[in-house]
Amino acid sequence: DAGVTQSPTHLIKTRGQQVTLRCSPKSGHDTVSWYQQALGQGPQFIFQYYEEEERQRGNFPDRFSGHQFPNYSSELNVNALLLGDSALYLCASSLGDRDFNEKLFFGSGTQLSVL
Amino acid sequence: AQSVAQPEDQVNVAEGNPLTVKCTYSVSGNPYLFWYVQYPNRGLQFLLKYITGDNLVKGSYGFEAEFNKSQTSFHLKKPSALVSDSALYFCAVRFTGRRALTFGSGTRLQVQP
Repeated sequence: DAGVTQSPTHLIKTRGQQVTLRCSPKSGHDTVSWYQQALGQGPQFIFQYYEEEERQRGNFPDRFSGHQFPNYSSELNVNALLLGDSALYLCASSLGDRDFNEKLFFGSGTQLSVL
Repeated sequence: AQSVAQPEDQVNVAEGNPLTVKCTYSVSGNPYLFWYVQYPNRGLQFLLKYITGDNLVKGSYGFEAEFNKSQTSFHLKKPSALVSDSALYFCAVRFTGRRALTFGSGTRLQVQP
């Protein structure tokens, strides 16, 4: 049973570029959340997707956008990269969007470095 | 403002000794509380959660946490630490009506042999 898989594991970009990160949820899960973890900090919620729609969004600018596909996989897109976007981006999956008590399963993350 | 805090950046404990990692929260209403652990180059792993009921919650790997409503705390505990418990621990809270988890800043646990 595959867990949450993210690709790529590492990425180096320059300021102003655009990046796409990918996530496949744990088998049987239909909800995907994205978090940004800056060095030395706890993860911060970016947004959550369920039924191919963004259900809730954290305090991130519109440069951060996402998508969920019919097979429940998801992409995180970041436009006009800034140095401050350098972080570990974590994808988490869960089942359903009604049980807020459901535990999250996290991938190992994509380490993004913006130069 | 609703928030969660982990007052210690690092906790050091000798193997075999009990350990406590502290977490406090500030929220209106009843929060849902979680502990996650992060090993190097790995994603976060769920340890335990408190939703309602018994204030002492048991979780994975022998960890437990005590919910204290009057002190708004949810400290993580283990009776006997192992070197393999060394990792980064995050307390998280889900506020009423919110889908997102709000994480604390993390506490690095170092267990010395």
